[in-house]
Amino acid sequence: AQSVTQLDSQVPVFEEAPVELRCNYSSSVSVYLFWYVQYPNQGLQLLLKYLSGSTLVKGINGFEAEFNKSQTSFHLRKPSVHISDTAEYFCAVNLNTGTASKLTFGTGTRLQVTL
Amino acid sequence: GAVVSQHPSWVICKSGTSVKIECRSLDFQATTMFWYRQFPKQSLMLMATSNEGSKATYEQGVEKDKFLINHASLTLSTLTVTSAHPEDSSFYICSAPHPPSGPNYEQYFGPGTRLTVT
Repeated sequence: AQSVTQLDSQVPVFEEAPVELRCNYSSSVSVYLFWYVQYPNQGLQLLLKYLSGSTLVKGINGFEAEFNKSQTSFHLRKPSVHISDTAEYFCAVNLNTGTASKLTFGTGTRLQVTL
Repeated sequence: GAVVSQHPSWVICKSGTSVKIECRSLDFQATTMFWYRQFPKQSLMLMATSNEGSKATYEQGVEKDKFLINHASLTLSTLTVTSAHPEDSSFYICSAPHPPSGPNYEQYFGPGTRLTVT
């Protein structure tokens, strides 16, 4: 079975500073990796995904993530955050089985951007 | 991109009553949909996999007789919380993968349904 670990439950950061949200996964088979953002009382919005190919993935809102197979990591980064980036961020893993399968989510990281 | 809707977005019901939540894929067909539950300030926990034309697959610890799932068509799955109790109060979110595989694979999430049982 696969699992996802987000070690940081909260990350406070000042506006315009860089940020990295960490995600590590565990799986015995090939996986797809995702980062989602959730604003209060809303559903999930996809930030970016890694299915195959280039290990550096660029997403929406200036976010990017790098897949590191040897370290089983998929950390999310943004070079300069904005107040509007304040939200809950979830890393998720999906087995690469060739058919639709369930997502396993990490526990989430609360990104708090302040002036 | 593909769109998944949920109805209602917010529901309050009395203890002991049943509540039905709908999940629709608006512009694509989904033979599989997933139902998640999210408690305040916590992550999403998969409850069950809804399969069109067959029985849902429930995760360990989820009562299938309490959380009835019906995948009525290729664009609609419903979750019925039967005999609801206050501990069932939560945020329920559905998702649907599209396409089901390949380089453009993605899961699309509905906006969620907030259930409050009084």
